[in-house]
Amino acid sequence: DMKVTQMPRYLIKRMGENVLLECGQDMSHETMYWYRQDPGLGLQLIYISYDVDSNSEGDIPKGYRVSRKKREHFSLILDSAKTNQTSVYFCASLSRQAPLFGEGTRLSVL
Amino acid sequence: TQTVSQSDAHVTVFEGDSVELRCNYSYGGSIYLSWYIQHHGHGLQFLLKYYSGNPVVQGVNGFEAEFSKSDSSFHLRKASVHWSDSAVYFCAVRTNTGKLTFGDGTVLTVKP
Repeated sequence: DMKVTQMPRYLIKRMGENVLLECGQDMSHETMYWYRQDPGLGLQLIYISYDVDSNSEGDIPKGYRVSRKKREHFSLILDSAKTNQTSVYFCASLSRQAPLFGEGTRLSVL
Repeated sequence: TQTVSQSDAHVTVFEGDSVELRCNYSYGGSIYLSWYIQHHGHGLQFLLKYYSGNPVVQGVNGFEAEFSKSDSSFHLRKASVHWSDSAVYFCAVRTNTGKLTFGDGTVLTVKP
């Protein structure tokens, strides 16, 4: 069964701490995405990855970076997290049918 | 750059009613159009998509959508809604570069 796995599901951090959000898929999909979702704003694209070490900025990349060293894993990194990065983060991978989404990581930055 | 507009932020209907959720897009090239459903606290689940061919596409759970090039629209419809259809619905546009852009979503509330 095709599935995108996000870890952790819930995370609380203090302002200034580093944050690592992880996403995995075992379907060997080339293209993967990171989004954030805030109330009333829908999903905003942070980064898109076309394959290992082939990443492109999305619409709101500032304050984020990504890492994709293996096709199956796509990480989102917040260096020195800010309170305005409190949000729900979704990872997705592109199947032949359509992008498949993980269940999200709810991040609170205090 | 592509944009997606969902003009209705909230739609409320009664169980058994029909419903149409509207989506309009703008983009100059080839695109994939899709709809997703999101239940509270969960990720997005794919409902259906259109790229070419028959402009009316069927999805899961009785949903269908119709593409109109002249109107730049891809509206989602269901003939008879159930209370479990209450959720947030997102329209999305994907270009050949893989960039996937979402509308702001429509909250569908189905009353018993």
